[in-house]
Amino acid sequence: DADVTQTPRNRITKTGKRIMLECSQTKGHDRMYWYRQDPGLGLRLIYYSFDVKDINKGEISDGYSVSRQAQAKFSLSLESAIPNQTALYFCATSEPTGTGGNQPQHFGDGTRLSIL
Amino acid sequence: AQKVTQAQTEISVVEKEDVTLDCVYETRDTTYYLFWYKQPPSGELVFLIRRNSFDEQNEISGRYSWNFQKSTSSFNFTITASQVVDSAVYFCALSEGRRGGNKLTFGTGTQLKVEL
Repeated sequence: DADVTQTPRNRITKTGKRIMLECSQTKGHDRMYWYRQDPGLGLRLIYYSFDVKDINKGEISDGYSVSRQAQAKFSLSLESAIPNQTALYFCATSEPTGTGGNQPQHFGDGTRLSIL
Repeated sequence: AQKVTQAQTEISVVEKEDVTLDCVYETRDTTYYLFWYKQPPSGELVFLIRRNSFDEQNEISGRYSWNFQKSTSSFNFTITASQVVDSAVYFCALSEGRRGGNKLTFGTGTQLKVEL
């Protein structure tokens, strides 16, 4: 089983619909992140969470919200989807920054979201 | 603000050629971390390497090598004797020190195509 699992893997929906993307992890990491990938733009950070009570906006949080239901679960919601939110979405996890410095992030397989 | 530039959008080589992927970064922090990730056609993101700002030692792992030069703010990635399986999009990324919270800033990626 994958350490970082994203559901669904693919979703097609219509403008105005509410969408939730889910992420769960078995790595035991405290930190979780949501990114979106657009062609030619790389990955951009939407939201991140250092623990269940700590949620922070990233570079492009407008139009999105998140929920950290448990250490292992971090959901991303689009309250009213619009076509320019069509993208590939990635969830990632990492260990805290400790004496070893910033740790690599480990990514799920992605959710391909299309909004018509 | 931190920034990562991957000026090469796409590179095509013939199998067994050596190829270097360029990465130039900007940061005001004295403590930072650089990463390379691989995204094969299947879409997942695979962590390749982490380098911290205090360690300018080059690294070699099999056919892969990395050249970190603070003087030119570059962290270039070389694949020796390329193979078709190396075909992927490669991302360079930067996270700043403790204050930055391990948030990753990605470059826009370099698409590498290795042909027979």
